[in-house]
Amino acid sequence: QQQVKQSPQSLIVQKGGISIINCAYENTAFDYFPWYQQFPGKGPALLIAIRPDVSEKKEGRFTISFNKSAKQFSLHIMDSQPGDSATYFCAASRRDDKIIFGKGTRLHILP
Amino acid sequence: IAGITQAPTSQILAAGRRMTLRCTQDMRHNAMYWYRQDLGLGLRLIHYSNTAGTTGKGEVPDGYSVSRANTDDFPLTLASAVPSQTSVYFCASSLRGGYNEQFFGPGTRLTVL
Repeated sequence: QQQVKQSPQSLIVQKGGISIINCAYENTAFDYFPWYQQFPGKGPALLIAIRPDVSEKKEGRFTISFNKSAKQFSLHIMDSQPGDSATYFCAASRRDDKIIFGKGTRLHILP
Repeated sequence: IAGITQAPTSQILAAGRRMTLRCTQDMRHNAMYWYRQDLGLGLRLIHYSNTAGTTGKGEVPDGYSVSRANTDDFPLTLASAVPSQTSVYFCASSLRGGYNEQFFGPGTRLTVL
């Protein structure tokens, strides 16, 4: 049973555009939602994370939007740059429990 | 500061052979994890350890075993490799589970023929 569903599987965006990746979760006990970024040949690294007590968190060009009632959250990358080309994983977890990852989105930003 | 190291970087292995993937962290993290990454399937948890001396099964544990004799090391063993175990393997660690950031190693690319 897939507990975190991520879409799209791949995404191509023009430089300067907005990249949007969506995730949905099933377990209402989840209360921590991180996003990880992975460049080719490297391990994933934490990009940004949100707790459900806020509806939005912004760090530079990266924003997480969270909709608790719909059990959905999304990553927005504003002014997307070629250097943002990577695979992005959404995830969910509870305190002191394992992180459940989505299947990932391969993002390519056209120069 | 090395963070997490994995060895080997890559390996080609004949089916039926035994293989141990090594993982060492120097951050004194309590929790460690092994994932496999396959195209279209994302990161799947194989085994984890919340603290030295304890281990647990993840989503895809069959064919793999782990041990956690001390805080720093978390080796993953394939007792008798099969072609379906061809994958990229990532070791990760975190201070504790849940809310804590996971730090990933550089990965081991394993091919089983």
